[in-house]
Amino acid sequence: GEDVEQSLFLSVREGDSSVINCTYTDSSSTYLYWYKQEPGAGLQLLTYIFSNMDMKQDQRLTVLLNKKDKHLSLRIADTQTGDSAIYFCAESDSGNTPLVFGKGTRLSVIA
Amino acid sequence: DTAVSQTPKYLVTQMGNDKSIKCEQNLGHDTMYWYKQDSKKFLKIMFSYNNKELIINETVPNRFSPKSPDKAHLNLHINSLELGDSAVYFCASSQPGLAYNEQFFGPGTRLTVL
Repeated sequence: GEDVEQSLFLSVREGDSSVINCTYTDSSSTYLYWYKQEPGAGLQLLTYIFSNMDMKQDQRLTVLLNKKDKHLSLRIADTQTGDSAIYFCAESDSGNTPLVFGKGTRLSVIA
Repeated sequence: DTAVSQTPKYLVTQMGNDKSIKCEQNLGHDTMYWYKQDSKKFLKIMFSYNNKELIINETVPNRFSPKSPDKAHLNLHINSLELGDSAVYFCASSQPGLAYNEQFFGPGTRLTVL
């Protein structure tokens, strides 16, 4: 079955860039997503990328996709303490299929 | 207006009891989901409904029975609760064919079984 892998922890200093990595196994993935979960809260869609794109930039967020290696990354520029959260990589292959999530990367930002 | 709402937000109950969690979405979406997030924050799909019909059941015990009275509601009933059912349950909805298949999540229901 599909599998999505992420490292579990990342710690960065305020103002530095954060890079969260993700690998997936499903070659039919059409959409790849990054969700953010703050403590005690639900999931918020941060950004997404289609599988036919290599890169997407949205303000401080840059998503890179290497489809050949099935590798996805999320770069957060100028990381702030408010960025401390769990970041989930997820994939789906069509319009109404459930998301397959990675285990989440807990980002800690040190002031 | 809340897009996807769940009740209750917290649920504490004894082992062996039966409980229900309700979910409603006001987005007009056709597809709704239940996800379970365990104590390690791992998120997994449990059920998926499209237009009130069950389309995915991911090897969830029979004690869990989803019910969709209409396409805006997807409730989850759990019989004979066990300690391992303690988790946060998230409802979500999406509309096939819309841009990038975004799933909108509810705030979660934290279930604690004692």
